[in-house]
Amino acid sequence: AQSVTQLDSQVPVFEEAPVELRCNYSSSVSVYLFWYVQYPNQGLQLLLKYLSGSTLVKGINGFEAEFNKSQTSFHLRKPSVHISDTAEYFCAVSVAFGNEKLTFGTGTRLTIIP
Amino acid sequence: DSGVTQTPKHLITATGQRVTLRCSPRSGDLSVYWYQQSLDQGLQFLIQYYNGEERAKGNILERFSAQQFPDLHSELNLSSLELGDSALYFCASSDSLGSGGIADTQYFGPGTRLTVL
Repeated sequence: AQSVTQLDSQVPVFEEAPVELRCNYSSSVSVYLFWYVQYPNQGLQLLLKYLSGSTLVKGINGFEAEFNKSQTSFHLRKPSVHISDTAEYFCAVSVAFGNEKLTFGTGTRLTIIP
Repeated sequence: DSGVTQTPKHLITATGQRVTLRCSPRSGDLSVYWYQQSLDQGLQFLIQYYNGEERAKGNILERFSAQQFPDLHSELNLSSLELGDSALYFCASSDSLGSGGIADTQYFGPGTRLTVL
């Protein structure tokens, strides 16, 4: 079975500073990796996903993530954050090439400090 | 607005009762997914339907069931409700450009907040 660990439950960052949200996964087979964002009182929105190919994945709202197979990581980064980035961020994993469930991490609450 | 609609937005009921949550996917999406988000369990995948058939199953209790109808809307039925079933229930649908598998982008609805008293 696969699992996801989000190492930080809360990350405070000053506005316009860079941010990295960490995600590590565990799986014995190839995986797909996802980052979702949940704004207050809303559903989840896909930020980006890694299926195959280039390990650097660019998503919406200026976010990007890098798949590192040797370190089993898929950290999310943004070079300069804005107040509007305040939200909960979820990393998720699924088995590649199968109709498997999405397994989510526990989430990281990103708080932007003006 | 993701295009996925869920009703009702809020639901308050008592232990032992049965409720039905409804989801209408985006136009043309064949896959519907159900998720439960609670403080205790986090965000968990429950079940997926693709064009009316069950496609993948997650941590769904036997007291819960779901179906997808010919018009592609889906219902999640929760019975013999317990206090621990209080949660936010999300529905998502995936774009029909892919195979209907997990790699397709999932679009989430706003959720139904269930409170069991």
